[in-house]
Amino acid sequence: AQTVTQSQPEMSVQEAETVTLSCTYDTSESDYYLFWYKQPPSRQMILVIRQEAYKQQNATENRFSVNFQKAAKSFSLKISDSQLGDAAMYFCAYRRGGGGADGLTFGKGTHLIIQP
Amino acid sequence: NAGVTQTPKFRILKIGQSMTLQCTQDMNHNYMYWYRQDPGMGLKLIYYSVGAGITDKGEVPNGYNVSRSTTEDFPLRLELAAPSQTSVYFCASSYSFDGGENIQYFGAGTRLSVL
Repeated sequence: AQTVTQSQPEMSVQEAETVTLSCTYDTSESDYYLFWYKQPPSRQMILVIRQEAYKQQNATENRFSVNFQKAAKSFSLKISDSQLGDAAMYFCAYRRGGGGADGLTFGKGTHLIIQP
Repeated sequence: NAGVTQTPKFRILKIGQSMTLQCTQDMNHNYMYWYRQDPGMGLKLIYYSVGAGITDKGEVPNGYNVSRSTTEDFPLRLELAAPSQTSVYFCASSYSFDGGENIQYFGAGTRLSVL
C-alpha cells in the first residue's frame, strides 16, 4: 500500500520569505498524481497544486511551486514571498493513476506559521 | 455556486445513538467520497462511490454505512456511535470522464463528538 510521509510537524517563516515543505511517498505504481492541499483554521480543504507523475516539469501556481523528484519519491512544496494568509496546515496527498475512483492518501500534515 | 455542502457542521452524540451526515454536490460529479480526520492526522478514506447505486469501502469503513440513490447525494450513516468515531468528517466529489486525473473538491466538514 502507498504511504505519504511529512516529516515536519511545524514550520515557521518570516513574512515575505521563502519556505519549503517536505513530502516523501512510497508506491510501486508508475502512474500517479501528487497534490498539496491547504487547510486553514476554517477546516476547508483547498487544493494548492498538483503534479502528474509522468510529467517531468515541476508544477507552478503563482507563488507556489513543487520540486518533484520521481526517483527519490520526493515532492516538496515551495512557497515564495510568504503572506500571512498562507498560515495553515498543509497536506501532501497521493492518488494512483489509471482511472478509477481511488481516494487520496494523505500525510499527517505540516503546520505552517507565518511570522509578521 | 455551492459546490459540496455538508450538514450539520457540528454534532454531539451519546454513545449508541445513530445519525446521518448529509452531503450533496451540485457540480454533476460522478465520484463521491467520505473521509475522516482525527486530531493531528491526515484524512482517511471511509467509503466512496463511482455513481448512483454503486458504493465501495475505503480504508476505515467499520461502523459506517453509505448509500447513493442520486448523483447529487451521498449520506454517511453511523448506526451505533462510539467514542472512537469522534472526528471531523469530510465529503468530497470529483469528475472523471476518461479515467484520467480527477480533482477532488471538499466540503467544509462536520465535527462530530461522541460522549
